[in-house]
Amino acid sequence: DTGVSQDPRHKITKRGQNVTFRCDPISEHNRLYWYRQTLGQGPEFLTYFQNEAQLEKSRLLSDRFSAERPKGSFSTLEIQRTEQGDSAMYLCASSLENNEQFFGPGTRLTVL
Amino acid sequence: AQSVSQHNHHVILSEAASLELGCNYSYGGTVNLFWYVQYPGQHLQLLLKYFSGDPLVKGIKGFEAEFIKSKFSFNLRKPSVQWSDTAEYFCASWMDSSYKLIFGSGTRLLVRP
Repeated sequence: DTGVSQDPRHKITKRGQNVTFRCDPISEHNRLYWYRQTLGQGPEFLTYFQNEAQLEKSRLLSDRFSAERPKGSFSTLEIQRTEQGDSAMYLCASSLENNEQFFGPGTRLTVL
Repeated sequence: AQSVSQHNHHVILSEAASLELGCNYSYGGTVNLFWYVQYPGQHLQLLLKYFSGDPLVKGIKGFEAEFIKSKFSFNLRKPSVQWSDTAEYFCASWMDSSYKLIFGSGTRLLVRP
């Protein structure tokens, strides 16, 4: 499968714990995006990388959230001290230059 | 702030009925517009996109959309829906000055056989 992959697909954690999600984009894609989707809403932009550089962060991304793309390939999204309001589907997408974004299956986070 | 609005949150149709889903965007400059579909249990997939040129855009699975700049609209249409079109549909825009997609809240379509 040469699409965007995300791991884990589901994560249940207790409030206050840290979680980390991984995204593997399509191999030749230089752009990688993270979005968050809550029930009944469309995805909301969180952050974006071009190669290893993080070029834009949404105001939704509080200081408890951090994202990296160390070698311009896979990316990780870490949430520290999780809160119940962090429960959502976290989507990763990748693209090649100014072109369509391909989405992964998402990681569903539940914070108890 | 730029935004995308989808006014139909739930649509129920019978097979062979015609479909039109509304999408409006708020941005006065150059926009790129997309319709994505999410079938039950699957990833978001691109149905069609508009960057420039012919305002009538044809996508996969018989879908089309028309960009009407004067109305800030990009409505999705299909002349005859099938049960397999049951899914959630998202309109999105991507402004030239940024790279992020702005999504509407989505429309859940149920097609009854």
